[in-house]
Formats: sequence, C-alpha cells, structure tokens
Amino acid sequence: GAGVSQSPSNKVTEKGKDVELRCDPISGHTALYWYRQSLGQGLEFLIYFQGNSAPDKSGLPSDRFSAERTGGSVSTLTIQRTQQEDSAVYLCASSSFGTDYGYTFGSGTRLTVV
Amino acid sequence: GENVEQHPSTLSVQEGDSAVIKCTYSDSASNYFPWYKQELGKGPQLIIDIRSNVGEKKDQRIAVTLNKTAKHFSLHITETQPEDSAVYFCAASLGGGSNYKLTFGKGTLLTVNP
Repeated sequence: GAGVSQSPSNKVTEKGKDVELRCDPISGHTALYWYRQSLGQGLEFLIYFQGNSAPDKSGLPSDRFSAERTGGSVSTLTIQRTQQEDSAVYLCASSSFGTDYGYTFGSGTRLTVV
Repeated sequence: GENVEQHPSTLSVQEGDSAVIKCTYSDSASNYFPWYKQELGKGPQLIIDIRSNVGEKKDQRIAVTLNKTAKHFSLHITETQPEDSAVYFCAASLGGGSNYKLTFGKGTLLTVNP
C-alpha cells in the first residue's frame, strides 16, 4: 500500500482481557518496528523484525507482550491480561533495507484499558 | 544502551522567528540522527536526518547540525509558520542506514503563534 496501515485506530478494553494490534507495512519493506508512546513521553522501542532474522525483542516490557510477523509482511502485537499501565498509543513503522529513507510510521493504535 | 536527551520540552515562538531544538546522546558509536515531526493524531514523519560523517545538512527552512565530539545535534527551523506547530522528536541509532532501532528523545512541543 501507499503507507503503513494500523488497525484498529482505537481500542478500549477491560483490564485483564487480551488485545491484538495489527500492522500492515509498506509493500517490500523488510524491516518492521513496534514502538509505544505514552502520554507526554517519547517513543519506547518494543520489538524489531528484519527479514528472516530472529526478531530483537529486547524492548518488550513483560512476558504479557508478544509479536509475530507472518510471511515477512503483516505483524500482530498481542498484549495478554491487559493492565491500565498498558494504555498508550502503539506505533508501527517499516523501512526498506539499504536505503536512506528512514522509518515510515503508521498513525498508531490508541489503546485504553479501563 | 543509548540514551537521548532533548530540550526544551516546550517551545513557543512568534511566526517568522527561528526555533532551535537540541539533543544529546550517550553512545559515541551512534552514527545516524533523524528528526521526526508528529502532528496531532498522526504518526511521526521524518523531516530530516544526518549521518556522522556530515556536520550540517539543510533542506529549505530546516537544518540539522551535528557535533560528534560533544555528542549533540540540533534542529533549526527558520522563518517559522503556524503549520510548523507540532511535536518534534530527535533520535539516534547505531545503524548506518534505517534498519536498526532508533532511540528517541521525549519530544518538543513547538507552538508558532501567528
């Protein structure tokens, strides 16, 4: 597609429920990143996928967070047993290996845990 | 790991004035420094970037300077316009391109008053 697409744009969930956030990267981009943006804070790195390499999961805050990328394209970020502190905007970005274009971000999913 | 500090957190200028945002980083191995602009409800958008072999880069009203010795880089916006109002983020990475995780500053809310 023309840009990075994220769905849903907004998600309200009850504490303790599981949620899945989806990211469709730009076609042909081999690198995909998830970041979290809390109110008034910068962007916190969560996980990075590059081609067929093992993902860099060093930013995942707890074992309730996981992500996968199927077929080198679409990615899903799953948060199990959501907590109120998980409320944030979750941003996905993709980039093309070997170019100088930098990241292209999606518009994010605003997650609210009530 | 890398740590990026960004100042100021808020900046208010009159239309036509210049705006300067400064960032410092901790890892001397970092060699890629992009700047992102985030408008309300949207994902961050890359506006300019600089690599460690360049001291300054300019694109119309926007310029970025890099001082590797002091480990700081700055964004300069001249002749500011109301549409420049947004949150600006600096970032740093170890990658020579765009395929390593970025560490972001906490952002600067720029308000340009007409």
